Amino acid sequence: GNSVTQMEGPVTLSEEAFLTINCTYTATGYPSLFWYVQYPGEGLQLLLKATKADDKGSNKGFEATYRKETTSFHLEKGSVQVSDSAVYFCALRIQETSGSRLTFGEGTQLTVNP
Amino acid sequence: DGGITQSPKYLFRKEGQNVTLSCEQNLNHDAMYWYRQDPGQGLRLIYYSQIVNDFQKGDIAEGYSVSREKKESFPLTVTSAQKNPTAFYLCASSSPTVSGTQYFGPGTRLLVL
Repeated sequence: GNSVTQMEGPVTLSEEAFLTINCTYTATGYPSLFWYVQYPGEGLQLLLKATKADDKGSNKGFEATYRKETTSFHLEKGSVQVSDSAVYFCALRIQETSGSRLTFGEGTQLTVNP
Repeated sequence: DGGITQSPKYLFRKEGQNVTLSCEQNLNHDAMYWYRQDPGQGLRLIYYSQIVNDFQKGDIAEGYSVSREKKESFPLTVTSAQKNPTAFYLCASSSPTVSGTQYFGPGTRLLVL
């Protein structure tokens, strides 16, 4: 079946540090890949996405590259801010005969200290 | 503004009671989804609907029911058969594009009295 594995959290960084959150996946076929962010008490917001191998998604200083050879989609940011503190979810989408659905990782809690 | 609205923000359920969570979207999306989120965990799919008057069970459909009578609306009923309903419920919608990006509502937190 399809699955997503994220690095375990929580992750705690100082402001301006470099961030990497690892995400690997298992899928039949060719999934689209996503990173979502969730702030406390809110719904999920799309952060970035990639639809095919070697695509790079980017938004608000965050980047992730769709690596088919390593089945990975690691999230990176060069300099984090306190406002980046949130839970980050990696997800994949596969088109099935009954429609498409997302499969999520467990989420990684990020705390950035001033 | 286009978006997804969920109501209420907080909902309290008494033992043996059915409660209905509302989800409305004005994005003209065909597909809609319901997820359950427990503390410190990822999202689990309850039900989804690709078109009006059709829906499929997700991974944890037991104790829940849905309807899709209008394109804009996808209400979720948490029945008394759901023995552990306390969770954060998220609704999402998507259009049938290549990426099929899902957009989420703000969520409803259900608590049992």
